[in-house]
Amino acid sequence: QSALTQPRSVSGSPGQSVTISCAGANRDVGSYNYVSWYQQYPGRAPRLIIYDVIKRPSGVPDRFSGSKSGNTASLTISGLQAEDEADYYCCSYAGNYMVTFGGGTKLTVL
Amino acid sequence: QLQLQESGPGLLKPSETLSLTCIVSGGSISSSSYYWGWIRQPPGKGLEWITSIYYTGKSYNNPSLGSRVTTSVDTSKNQFSLKLNSVTAADTAVFYCARLARGTAVPGVTLDFWGQGALVTVSS
Repeated sequence: QSALTQPRSVSGSPGQSVTISCAGANRDVGSYNYVSWYQQYPGRAPRLIIYDVIKRPSGVPDRFSGSKSGNTASLTISGLQAEDEADYYCCSYAGNYMVTFGGGTKLTVL
Repeated sequence: QLQLQESGPGLLKPSETLSLTCIVSGGSISSSSYYWGWIRQPPGKGLEWITSIYYTGKSYNNPSLGSRVTTSVDTSKNQFSLKLNSVTAADTAVFYCARLARGTAVPGVTLDFWGQGALVTVSS
């Protein structure tokens, strides 16, 4: 059982926006601004798309954005494209040198 | 460009010890800005952080794996390694090595570079 809770699946049509939530606790998401998000295609390694809650690595489109409120972080993908169909994982620093992942969310582009 | 490459046996029998090595190229493992870690993903399931290690050799493990995990770093070869003992079928997974960027006053928190992954199957 993952320490962070994500919806198992979300879906949206091209051009729409979708938001994926990541519910944690005061000991992880609520205490640190070290939430990151990863995109994973089938058979591929995860790729960092958001870090430090809101920052985007170079090369990641600005359609991807992150936020946090209390113990819940969110990833929003605007202007949905077919290539965004993938699995998405949140991750948070949890203190004591540990990081913890969410269970993952499958995004389907209709 | 930084690259990480996992290597090790892909098939183990129950009770054996899993040994994987991650070779780092395009950057120094001795950088004070990063930790180095292992993450696994059982088939069809999510990601699980296993361990993080600093170039000094100080390591931190996921408590759920207890004392089964041993990690080491070889700065002369620019690589780090994972050992997981007493494996069972439940340890079957793709194992990824990754670089973890440090935060302000905290250790590795962001996995910014990943290896391609190595499938390890445990079966009798």
